Amino acid sequence: SQQGEEDPQALSIQEGENATMNCSYKTSINNLQWYRQNSGRGLVHLILIRSNEREKHSGRLRVTLDTSKKSSSLLITASRAADTASYFCATVDSGTYKYIFGTGTRLKVLA
Amino acid sequence: ETGVTQTPRHLVMGMTNKKSLKCEQHLGHNAMYWYKQSAKKPLELMFVYSLEERVENNSVPSRFSPECPNSSHLFLHLHTLQPEDSALYLCASSRTGEAEAFFGQGTRLTVV
Repeated sequence: SQQGEEDPQALSIQEGENATMNCSYKTSINNLQWYRQNSGRGLVHLILIRSNEREKHSGRLRVTLDTSKKSSSLLITASRAADTASYFCATVDSGTYKYIFGTGTRLKVLA
Repeated sequence: ETGVTQTPRHLVMGMTNKKSLKCEQHLGHNAMYWYKQSAKKPLELMFVYSLEERVENNSVPSRFSPECPNSSHLFLHLHTLQPEDSALYLCASSRTGEAEAFFGQGTRLTVV
């Protein structure tokens, strides 16, 4: 079964605006990760937040984690056309090394 | 470049063909993965290898056969595929299974 589900499924914004996407997961985690995928390419790791962290920043990215609600959010500030991509959250089953990805949010940033 | 290389990048094969996908990493990672990504579907984990031993086989049909001869190389052998097997096949590796995963660029497979 799918571990994470992103919301919204698709998001279209103007350049310069902020983009927020959410992820929900089902089981206990050690960390949660966000990845980006340009169309038809491999996924690229963006940021990792540990279960004992509530917020983390990396450049224009801000990630929050609420373990009580089993949810995370990714905020991209001052978006650019180059941010157009699909964004996925992922959790890891440390016993089996399984990375389970959410359904993804397709972000389109209009110039 | 992520350090994970997949070949070929594109593959068209008939249903009676046999082909292999190759994945290579020299990052010192000890876990390697095959994922399938179909249009409008979530990434599906197919196989996981940890220290060259398969630890996960996610109910994948036997027409897909993985091979991990060493910690740097992973293959996916394909035979008698179906058109619904057309998808982007992604290889990934990770150091511990809790750190970040590094993905290859994928092989776009079309079965005709």
